[in-house]
Amino acid sequence: QVQLKESGPGLVQPSQTLSLTCTVSGFSLTSYHVSWVRQPPGKGLEWMGVIWTGGSTAYNSLLKSRLSISRDISKSQVFLKMNSLQTEDTATYYCAREDGGSYVMDAWGQGASVTVSS
Amino acid sequence: DIVLTQSPALAVSLGQRATISCRASQSVSTSSYNLMHWYQQKPGQQPKLLIYDASNLASSIPARFSGSGSGTDFTLTINPVQADDIATYYCQQSRELPRTFGGGTKLELK
Repeated sequence: QVQLKESGPGLVQPSQTLSLTCTVSGFSLTSYHVSWVRQPPGKGLEWMGVIWTGGSTAYNSLLKSRLSISRDISKSQVFLKMNSLQTEDTATYYCAREDGGSYVMDAWGQGASVTVSS
Repeated sequence: DIVLTQSPALAVSLGQRATISCRASQSVSTSSYNLMHWYQQKPGQQPKLLIYDASNLASSIPARFSGSGSGTDFTLTINPVQADDIATYYCQQSRELPRTFGGGTKLELK
């Protein structure tokens, strides 16, 4: 059974760094890519970046200077780190499995709600 | 970036057909694939894949959902609409990076 689960702090102070973990089960990180997508309250979905099966990454240019995605294959975990957080980064953050054929996000985590506030 | 445009809302009666459109600013099709996908999101839940590659039904999705289109114009059809289908629907392209989503169409009851 394919599962993804995000974890991390619910509250981050402005200018600080956000660290989130996506723990996956039911599939291997060497067989599927994993994307991060965020959704501000009441708004739409924004793709943040992806870590490919080979370990390389690609980022949304709007976030590239602040964002880093990495993984630990042995622990089946994908990590998101984003620095210099501002209030507009308040959102629910999702990790999603991406199929290698047509790069469709076929399984999603439940999401981690992050509030940026002092 | 490829911009995907959706109407913000659509009102429909139960048992009727709902047609949700998505227009891309440039083609999202290759010689082999139409790289447009559709997701359903209910309040407080994560998005759920409905249709991939424009017209393929994802696993466990009811047959009342269907998708069509190629190039820049795509459509998600729900027929007949059931109460459980009231949600927001997003299109998403994987033709190019960055992946982009439409703004979402909120399906409402008439």
